[in-house]
Amino acid sequence: EVQLEESGGGLVKPGGSLRLSCAASGFSFTNAWMSWVRQAPGEGLEWLGLIKSYSHDGATTDYAAPVKGRFTISRDDSNYMLYLQMNSLKTEDTGVYYCTTVGSASFPDWGQGTLVTVSS
Amino acid sequence: QSALTQPRSVSGSPGQSVTISCTGTSSDVGGYNYVSWYQQHPGKAPKLMIYDVSTRPSGVPDRFSGSKSGNTASLTISGLQAEDDADYYCCSYAGTYVHYVFGTGTKVTVL
Repeated sequence: EVQLEESGGGLVKPGGSLRLSCAASGFSFTNAWMSWVRQAPGEGLEWLGLIKSYSHDGATTDYAAPVKGRFTISRDDSNYMLYLQMNSLKTEDTGVYYCTTVGSASFPDWGQGTLVTVSS
Repeated sequence: QSALTQPRSVSGSPGQSVTISCTGTSSDVGGYNYVSWYQQHPGKAPKLMIYDVSTRPSGVPDRFSGSKSGNTASLTISGLQAEDDADYYCCSYAGTYVHYVFGTGTKVTVL
């Protein structure tokens, strides 16, 4: 059974930084493309970025325009971990952050999410 | 990149059918056969219901079906059940620059 568990959310001031983690199990993490999606309170879903596998695609990353240059996705295949480093945080970055697997241009598996609140 | 346009809400009685539309452009929905749909219950993570426009993942009831015509994709729920009461989001691949765009979301209410 695929399991994804996010952690690292919390309260941070505007301009601050935060690193989210996602522990993966139950599937071949080393071959998987992974992604982050967020949801602002009471709002819809927003794709943030993805990281490809090392083996086939050199762990290259792609990002959505609103977070490019501020957010960095990385992975630790030896420990089945996915990360999202968030810098220069803004109040509009507040929301629940989900890590997901990437399938055929879709997101088959989701974690339970971790809440990030950016406020002074 | 703007979000795909979905109706804010649709409703139906148990046993009826409802259809949710998802309208984009030729740069996303109309340009690729890569539309997916997600169901989200309050306080829960989204669940993949349809991918590649019309393919159901294992375990998703066949009451859920997807289709696409031009720049508009659709999700139909046939034989509506109480547990289908949830929010639904479409998503489309939008090329190597934008990558993925989600819809605005639709609240399905089972009356």
